Amino acid sequence: DADVTQTPRNRITKTGKRIMLECSQTKGHDRMYWYRQDPGLGLRLIYYSFDVKDINKGEISDGYSVSRQAQAKFSLSLESAIPNQTALYFCATSDSGLLDTQYFGPGTRLTVL
Amino acid sequence: RKEVEQDPGPFNVPEGATVAFNCTYSNSASQSFFWYRQDCRKEPKLLMSVYSSGNEDGRFTAQLNRASQYISLLIRDSKLSDSATYLCVVNREYNFNKFYFGSGTKLNVKP
Repeated sequence: DADVTQTPRNRITKTGKRIMLECSQTKGHDRMYWYRQDPGLGLRLIYYSFDVKDINKGEISDGYSVSRQAQAKFSLSLESAIPNQTALYFCATSDSGLLDTQYFGPGTRLTVL
Repeated sequence: RKEVEQDPGPFNVPEGATVAFNCTYSNSASQSFFWYRQDCRKEPKLLMSVYSSGNEDGRFTAQLNRASQYISLLIRDSKLSDSATYLCVVNREYNFNKFYFGSGTKLNVKP
């Protein structure tokens, strides 16, 4: 079984709808991240959480919110989706050491019409 | 200025060729460095960490030049399966494990 899972894997929605993307991990890591990836822009950080009580905005948090329900679960919400939020969304986890790398989920492809 | 910059490519090389990518980072306080590989529409996966002394893993060699603030990845004897996008990633301790990603360099290895 995958260490980091994301649901749904694909979603098509309409402008103005509320969408939730979910991420679960079995790696036991405290740190979890949400990124979006757009062609030519690389991965951009939306939100990150270093433990259940710690939530931080990334570089592009406007229009998004998150919830850290447990150590293993980190959800991303789009309160009112707009077309420029069409992107590939990745959840990632990492341990707390400086040399510790990130492990990514398989991604959610979101299309907002 | 971007935290991490890479040549987007694509680099088109024949099988068996040696190819090298560079990546520059803007913040001298950066502490740890990684190369990730990303296949089309898939998640990034760690290829190798980059250590100060340089390190090698099979056909792959990574180097770090702190003075010039760049890291490099050398791939020898390219295989068709090496075709992917290679992401340069930098981490700064004082930002508590926030990872900064380059936009990637695309490699196409052709028969």
